[in-house]
Amino acid sequence: DAGITQSPRYKITETGRQVTLMCHQTWSHSYMFWYRQDLGHGLRLIYYSAAADITDKGEVPDGYVVSRSKTENFPLTLESATRSQTSVYFCASSEFHRGQHEQYFGPGTRLTVT
Amino acid sequence: GEDVEQSLFLSVREGDSSVINCTYTDSSSTYLYWYKQEPGAGLQLLTYIFSNMDMKQDQRLTVLLNKKDKHLSLRIADTQTGDSAIYFCAESRTGNQFYFGTGTSLTVIP
Repeated sequence: DAGITQSPRYKITETGRQVTLMCHQTWSHSYMFWYRQDLGHGLRLIYYSAAADITDKGEVPDGYVVSRSKTENFPLTLESATRSQTSVYFCASSEFHRGQHEQYFGPGTRLTVT
Repeated sequence: GEDVEQSLFLSVREGDSSVINCTYTDSSSTYLYWYKQEPGAGLQLLTYIFSNMDMKQDQRLTVLLNKKDKHLSLRIADTQTGDSAIYFCAESRTGNQFYFGTGTSLTVIP
């Protein structure tokens, strides 16, 4: 199906473990984004990518690693999970058109770090 | 993040107008956006406004921008129960950095 998907939808992991959240889009959009959503903070940008092999930090990148070897995939890795990384993670994709991004969001991954 | 502010809650009666307010911080922001989030779902773009505009209307939605005061509002006319959701404003700053407000939870009372 066309669109943007995230997996897993729910994940429970332990402190110190590595976990990877997957994001896949079928539109061949150039840009992809990772956000985390926390009560009282809204959405905060973690990393974004303007194209394959091009990534850049957002507002809260510490503790996260991203890669983009293919246009359609943008995995987010927590190398050593901490309780403060318990959150809902959203992936988005967009094209940069007429100076603006129309971002399309995935359904989110709810991550709990115990 | 980065001090894009919204009030947390708003309740309106079905059929009334809703006005959701947002203050942002960066006067050089080029576009300002409104998103809607329904329970358990991702965000859905509702509308956006270019920073050199004062107003944009799109069916039941009206966006007003006061650039001097860095104030953005979203008016929903004839609010319906299906409009109950969380509404986020967002600004795009230089490069591709997006900053979202904390979200306003709109409850529509039948």
